[in-house]
This record gives sequence, C-alpha cells and structure tokens, in this order.
Amino acid sequence: EPEVTQTPSHQVTQMGQEVILRCVPISNHLYFYWYRQILGQKVEFLVSFYNNEISEKSEIFDDQFSVERPDGSNFTLKIRSTKLEDSAMYFCASTVGRGGDTQYFGPGTRLTVL
Amino acid sequence: DQQVKQNSPSLSVQEGRISILNCDYTNSMFDYFLWYKKYPAEGPTFLISISSIKDKNEDGRFTVFLNKSAKHLSLHIVPSQPGDSAVYFCAASTDNYGQNFVFGPGTRLSVLP
Repeated sequence: EPEVTQTPSHQVTQMGQEVILRCVPISNHLYFYWYRQILGQKVEFLVSFYNNEISEKSEIFDDQFSVERPDGSNFTLKIRSTKLEDSAMYFCASTVGRGGDTQYFGPGTRLTVL
Repeated sequence: DQQVKQNSPSLSVQEGRISILNCDYTNSMFDYFLWYKKYPAEGPTFLISISSIKDKNEDGRFTVFLNKSAKHLSLHIVPSQPGDSAVYFCAASTDNYGQNFVFGPGTRLSVLP
C-alpha cells in the first residue's frame, strides 16, 4: 500500500536555528498538508499546498514558516528561526483530491527545540 | 477555543464489548465530521466520516452517529478488539476540505483482552 514518508523521525535543534522537515507524499497525490501536534494537545492544521502554491494557511503558519515542493517528489516545511514553542510532532499528509477523508498521513517528525 | 471537544481523555473496554467514543462541537456551521485513529509512532489514519445530511454511517465494526441538534457525535466499535487500542481523534469542518478540519484532543482507547 502506498504511504507518505517523513524524514527525519526526530530532529533536535537549538533555538534560533533553521530546520527543514521533509515529506514524500504519495506519488499521484496533488494536495499536500502540514499539521502539528504539540505534546498532549490536539492536531492543528498549518498549511495546504496545491499546484505549487499555498492554498490555505492557519494563523499558526506565520512568516517563520515556509513550504516548498522543490522537485516532483519532496514536500518540505521550513522553520526559519525555531522557538521553544515549535517543539511538536509535525505530520505531513497528502490527498488525490481535496477531500479530508482521503488524506493519508505520514508517521510524523518529532521536533525538539532546546 | 475548543470548537471540538472529546471530554474523555481515556477509555478502557473489555475485548468483545462495545466501545463508545464521544465528541461534542460548538460551531453549528460544521457540516462534515471524521474520525481518525492513531497508533504510537504513526500518523493519524482516517477511519470513518459522516456528513450532516445523515445521522448514521456504518463501516464494518465502526458506526458513527451524528446528533446535529445536540452538536454531538459518537463512534461505536462493536465488537472491540485489542488491535483497536489507539488514540481516536474526532475532526469537524464546514466542508470536506482537509485544510479546514478542526481536531479534538483525542481519546485513548484501551481494549483489554
């Protein structure tokens, strides 16, 4: 069964450093998403991406965040200058269409900001 | 601002019995609801959905019930199996577009053999 993959599984960084979280969506999917889950809290939508541009973003997704699809397979989330409160699990998801019930999630990257 | 609430952080059920997971929401504009299951070290997996035009949707052992007037939905798992032990998230949206889903905090279900 096709799956979404994410690397690394765990990233530790110092506050103020830049991090790039990587995702490889399912190959024929067209919509891509990033979510995060702070430990013990709910899953929160960050951004959606379609046709090489952001289609929706939440208020969490401020200027410190950016997304990119640098080639035909990877979908990346960059945090320019990490803060302690960016520590969370970051999930990538992809869908063929926009329907939420067709979303496939990756296993997540645990980001720890020290 | 908890638009989607799952008031039971955890639930334990005996194998073979029914598991009932509850979810309440506050936004009357929500029209589409999903349940996800999440195992440790994995991402959420879509389980079952329901739109507001229905009050029940069934898929095998999983049934979701929607009571729009009460702004309440529930997930029934019958019979419960040990492999169902996971965290279950309820999510709601004003449409079926993934970017608009608001997730609840989750309920950890433990099915005891």
